[in-house]
Amino acid sequence: EVQLVESGGGLVQPGGSLRLSCAASGLTLSSYWMSWIRQAPGKGLEWVATIKQDGSEKYFVDSVKGRFTISRDNAKNSLYLQMNRLRDEDTAVYYCAKGATSSNYWGQGTLVTVSS
Amino acid sequence: QSALTQPASVSGSPGQSITISCTGTSSDVGGYKYVSWYQQHPGKAPKLMIYEVTNRPSGVPDRFSGSKSGNTASLTISGLQAEDEADYYCSSYTSSSTTVFGGGTKLTVL
Repeated sequence: EVQLVESGGGLVQPGGSLRLSCAASGLTLSSYWMSWIRQAPGKGLEWVATIKQDGSEKYFVDSVKGRFTISRDNAKNSLYLQMNRLRDEDTAVYYCAKGATSSNYWGQGTLVTVSS
Repeated sequence: QSALTQPASVSGSPGQSITISCTGTSSDVGGYKYVSWYQQHPGKAPKLMIYEVTNRPSGVPDRFSGSKSGNTASLTISGLQAEDEADYYCSSYTSSSTTVFGGGTKLTVL
């Protein structure tokens, strides 16, 4: 059974940093593009970032460019999202998902709350 | 990176058919075959229902179908059932090698 499990969410002050992790089981992460997608409370889905299998290509939504970094450790079967200079509007549930153009496996999400 | 345009809500009675539209531009929906549709129930992660405009993942009922004409993609659900009540989101690959979602449509089964 494929499982994606996110961790690392929590409460952080504006301007702070947080690192999200996504541990995969039941699939070999190195074979797939992977993505992070977020959902603000009561709002719709927003694609955040995508990374190629070997990490050589990375793409970001404009609102996080220069603040967020996506990375992966294929040996650990894990995906990461480093979030710096966090803003109130980054408050959301963050999902990791398999794939780039479509995602048939999603984690359960981890909540990031940016507030003073 | 403007969001794709979806109706905020649609409704239908059990057994009926409904269609949800998703309008973009030639730089996203109109330019690529990479349009997907997701179903999301409250408090749950999204579930892929359609990928590459018309394809259904294994396990998705054939009551769900997708299509595209120009810059507008559509999701049709036939034979509506109570469990279809959920939020639906479209997404598309873009010319910037990014992905963009629609604002979401709340489906109510009357």
